[in-house]
Amino acid sequence: GESVGLHLPTLSVQEGDNSIINCAYSNSASDYFIWYKQESGKGPQFIIDIRSNMDKRQGQRVTVLLNKTVKHLSLQIAATQPGDSAVYFCAENSGGSNYKLTFGKGTLLTVNP
Amino acid sequence: ETGVTQTPRHLVMGMTNKKSLKCEQHLGHNAMYWYKQSAKKPLELMFVYNFKEQTENNSVPSRFSPECPNSSHLFLHLHTLQPEDSALYLCASQHKTGSNEQFFGPGTRLTVL
Repeated sequence: GESVGLHLPTLSVQEGDNSIINCAYSNSASDYFIWYKQESGKGPQFIIDIRSNMDKRQGQRVTVLLNKTVKHLSLQIAATQPGDSAVYFCAENSGGSNYKLTFGKGTLLTVNP
Repeated sequence: ETGVTQTPRHLVMGMTNKKSLKCEQHLGHNAMYWYKQSAKKPLELMFVYNFKEQTENNSVPSRFSPECPNSSHLFLHLHTLQPEDSALYLCASQHKTGSNEQFFGPGTRLTVL
C-alpha cells in the first residue's frame, strides 16, 4: 500500500546546530508535500510545502528538499533553537484530490541548550 | 492560534455515554476534516466535508457520526465508544480553491473508560 514514513523517530541536537529530518514516501503520483510541526498540547502547524515540480524550497530558517528519484523528502532547520523542539510530520497529497493528506508517523526533535 | 477552535479540549467518557466534539473556524474555509491521532501512529483521516457535504468517510465505525451544519462548524458525535477509541481528535479546515494548507485546531483529548 501507499505510505509515508520517517527514517528516525527521534532526533537530538544542540542549540545552534542544523537539523535534518527525513521522510520517505512510496506514492510516485503524489504531487504535493507538506511539513507540519506539532508542539506538546497543540495541533499540527504548517511549516513549509513543496510541489512535485520543484526540488527545493526555502522558508525562514527552513528548507525542504525533494528527491523524486528516490522518493525522499527532507526538512532542514538552520540554527536550531529550543523553540523548535516538537514532533515534525511530513504529509503527501496523493494525485488527484487536493484535500486528502497522508501523514508520516513523525520525528521528535529535541534541542538541547 | 490557527483560527480553528475545538471544544472540549479534554473529555473522559464511559463506553455507554453519548458526547459530541465541536470544531469551529472563521477563516472563510469551505473544507473541514476530522483526524484521529493515536500514540505512535500517523494521523488518520476520518471524515472530509466540502461545502457542508461529506465527501470522504475513511471506513470509520458508525459509533462516530459527523455533522456539518454549515461551513464554519463541524461536529463529531460519539456513542458507545471503545477504550481503543481513546486518542487526540483533530479538526482541520482548508480553503478548497486556495492553498493546500490545512489549518489544525488544538484537538480534543478523548479518554474512553
